[in-house]
Amino acid sequence: EAGVAQSPRYKIIEKRQSVAFWCNPISGHATLYWYQQILGQGPKLLIQFQNNGVVDDSQLPKDRFSAERLKGVDSTLKIQPAKLEDSAVYLCASSLRLAGGGSEQFFGPGTRLTVL
Amino acid sequence: GENVEQHPSTLSVQEGDSAVIKCTYSDSASNYFPWYKQELGKRPQLIIDIRSNVGEKKDQRIAVTLNKTAKHFSLHITETQPEDSAVYFCAAKNNDYKLSFGAGTTVTVRA
Repeated sequence: EAGVAQSPRYKIIEKRQSVAFWCNPISGHATLYWYQQILGQGPKLLIQFQNNGVVDDSQLPKDRFSAERLKGVDSTLKIQPAKLEDSAVYLCASSLRLAGGGSEQFFGPGTRLTVL
Repeated sequence: GENVEQHPSTLSVQEGDSAVIKCTYSDSASNYFPWYKQELGKRPQLIIDIRSNVGEKKDQRIAVTLNKTAKHFSLHITETQPEDSAVYFCAAKNNDYKLSFGAGTTVTVRA
């Protein structure tokens, strides 16, 4: 089966600019996650969707970050305006369901964002 | 929220030796504990996981143990090979369905 797809793979922007990332989860996976991975650290959950509804966005900096999954499939994550500390790899993941068997998360290749 | 601590941060082993990585978690309600391997510049990939109703699980050269009372779990890699060199992350999922990751262990297998 095809894996989680993300684009772009790399993005370089200047601070205060805007950027958007796209994710296409594994077909049939109801749950979609966006993580931020700063160099040398583990992934940190930003937002979690179940179909097109938000399950958790408690760690999403809502003054500058936004995410949507309008049709319950693809998702976009936007940063507006970007700050230097937003430089990181943004990982999208998906799972069949939230909990129990099938809750294993599969990660995409990530988007490496550099903010200058 | 859940807090996962992982040790050591770096681990260097001779090829053929064993490697052990330990993690502790804070939320006693956590019930799912996956381990991910991330090679340089690549995506994290699940290598093994364990649920709270199981104490130990093994898959070829990889094993994971869970001590619910002490709230810690460990990854054991036996007969290490150069291709085992990577960053390994432990994680814990609680009833809020959030997966909290440790900071990672960089494993280097010396030939």
